[in-house]
This record gives sequence, structure tokens and C-alpha cells, in this order.
Amino acid sequence: GDSVTQMEGPVTLSEEACLTINCTYTATGYPSLFWYVQYPGEGLQLLLKATKADDKGSNKGFEATYRKETTSFHLEKGSVQVSDSAVYFCALSEIRESGYSTLTFGKGTMLLVSP
Amino acid sequence: ETGVTQSPTHLIKTRGQQVTLRCSSQSGHNTVSWYQQALGQGPQFIFQYYREEENGRGNFPPRFSGLQFPNYSSELNVNALELDDSALYLCASSFYRGNSPLHFGNGTRLTVT
Repeated sequence: GDSVTQMEGPVTLSEEACLTINCTYTATGYPSLFWYVQYPGEGLQLLLKATKADDKGSNKGFEATYRKETTSFHLEKGSVQVSDSAVYFCALSEIRESGYSTLTFGKGTMLLVSP
Repeated sequence: ETGVTQSPTHLIKTRGQQVTLRCSSQSGHNTVSWYQQALGQGPQFIFQYYREEENGRGNFPPRFSGLQFPNYSSELNVNALELDDSALYLCASSFYRGNSPLHFGNGTRLTVT
């Protein structure tokens, strides 16, 4: 079945440092890939997405490129801010035979940014 | 536009009891999905409702059931609560049941004692 593996946290960085959170996936078909962010006490917010190989998703300075050859979708940001502290989830979505789609999530990576 | 709202925000129940969680979908969205997020884990898909019918289900027992109403709001019902049901329950709505983006509510924190 489908699965998503992402690096364990917490990832602790100083403000303005570079960020990379690794994510790899296993899927039977051609999934869409997503990064969601969860701030304390809140639900999930879509951060970025990519729907096919070599697509790059980007938002709020974050980027991730859909790499089919390495089945990866690593999240990167050049300069993190304290406000980026949150839990980040990598996820994939595939359309099932009956026409519905589900998200399969990784376990999440907590990012802590200090001033 | 109004986002996804869930109620209640927190709930404490005793093992063996039954619980109902509620979700109002985002305006214009006809599909609702429910996810269970255990502490320190990623969300797990429970089921999806489209046009008032369940059209997809994850690996959850039948004591997890749901409803979708004509206004596309939804309920998640859990019977015979177990301690392992303690989790954050997330509702997400989308414009269509395919690969359209999911919009999540803030969740209901259920604690079973």
C-alpha cells in the first residue's frame, strides 16, 4: 500500500538558517504530493503541492520538487523564521477505483526555530 | 468564505460510551473526509462522504460511522469507545471527491478515560 516516510524531529534551527525536511514515498500509481503544516492547537493547512513528476510546489518561501526517480518530495526553505515553528506533514494522494481520493500522511516533523 | 468548523473542540468520554462529532464544511464543498490523528502521529483516513453517501473507507472498524446531510455538513459517530480512540479528529472538506485540495478544520480533541 501507499506510504510516506519523513525524517524524524524535532529539527532545531536558528533564525535565518536553511531548512531541509526529507520525505520519500511509496505508491502504486501516480500520486499527487503535498506538504501540510500544523501550528499548535490548529488543524492542517496546505503549504504546497505538486501533481506530476518534476513539478515544483512553492509557497511562503518554501519549495519542494516532485522527484519520481528518487520517489522524494523534500521540503526546503532558504531562511527560516521563528514563525515557521510548527509540525510539517508530507502526504500523498491517489484516486481510488471508485473515484474518491485519500491523503496518506507521514508521521510529521516538528520544526523549532529560535531567535 | 466560511471555513471548516468542528464541534465540540474538546470532549472527555468514558470507555464504552458513544460520541458524536460534528463538522460544517466550507461553503461550496460537497465532499467531507474524516481523519484520526493520534498523539505524535500523522492523520489516518477514516472515511469520506460525497453527496450524502460513504464512498471510501479506511482501516477502521464498523463502530466508526458517519452521516452527511443535504447541506453537506457531517457527523462522525463512534460507538463502544476504547482508550485507543483518544485522538484529535479532523474533518476536511473539498470541492470534489477527487484530487481537489482538502481544507481542514481545527479538530475535536477526544479523550477516553
